[in-house]
Amino acid sequence: KAGVTQTPRYLIKTRGQQVTLSCSPISGHRSVSWYQQTPGQGLQFLFEYFSETQRNKGNFPGRFSGRQFSNSRSEMNVSTLELGDSALYLCASSFPWTVDESEAFFGQGTRLTVV
Amino acid sequence: QKEVEQNSGPLSVPEGAIASLNCTYSDRGSQSFFWYRQYSGKSPELIMFIYSNGDKEDGRFTAQLNKASQYVSLLIRDSQPSDSATYLCAVNRMNTGFQKLVFGTGTRLLVSP
Repeated sequence: KAGVTQTPRYLIKTRGQQVTLSCSPISGHRSVSWYQQTPGQGLQFLFEYFSETQRNKGNFPGRFSGRQFSNSRSEMNVSTLELGDSALYLCASSFPWTVDESEAFFGQGTRLTVV
Repeated sequence: QKEVEQNSGPLSVPEGAIASLNCTYSDRGSQSFFWYRQYSGKSPELIMFIYSNGDKEDGRFTAQLNKASQYVSLLIRDSQPSDSATYLCAVNRMNTGFQKLVFGTGTRLLVSP
């Protein structure tokens, strides 16, 4: 069974540019969550999508947005990049119908560097 | 008070010993609890998942949950140098209808040969 796939693995962008990251969840999983990991702040929740609907959003500015497609694949977009957006962006896939089925599995992540 | 607290370590143990990692959480509505292992430069890897009070064993790993004390722990028996990594505790509250993991800052484990 294939795991969570994130593309691209590495990105270097310039301040002010925008970037789109992609996540393909485990087959059958309908929930996709995005997290940002930095050395100073650790892992922080960005947002979660389920059946193409954003169900919750973390405390990040509106420059961070996302969407989910009918096949559960998700994209995350960051506009007007700032140096502080440099981080490892992680996508997690789960099938959270009940609490005993709520394991979340992470992809390899996308390492974004803003210069 | 942080939502999920872990001692940052490093926790140093000799090879073959038992490593004990601890985590406390503040939200009594939390329903499921996770331990992830993260090697430097890699993404978190799910090791254990527990949602009922008590112990759950999987190979060399045992997760312990005490909801009354809001405490989760991970025991690693027969620790190996390959277990050296950062261990992240995460909690999830599902009754609000969405999946959101809140992470601790992680405990760095060093297993010496």
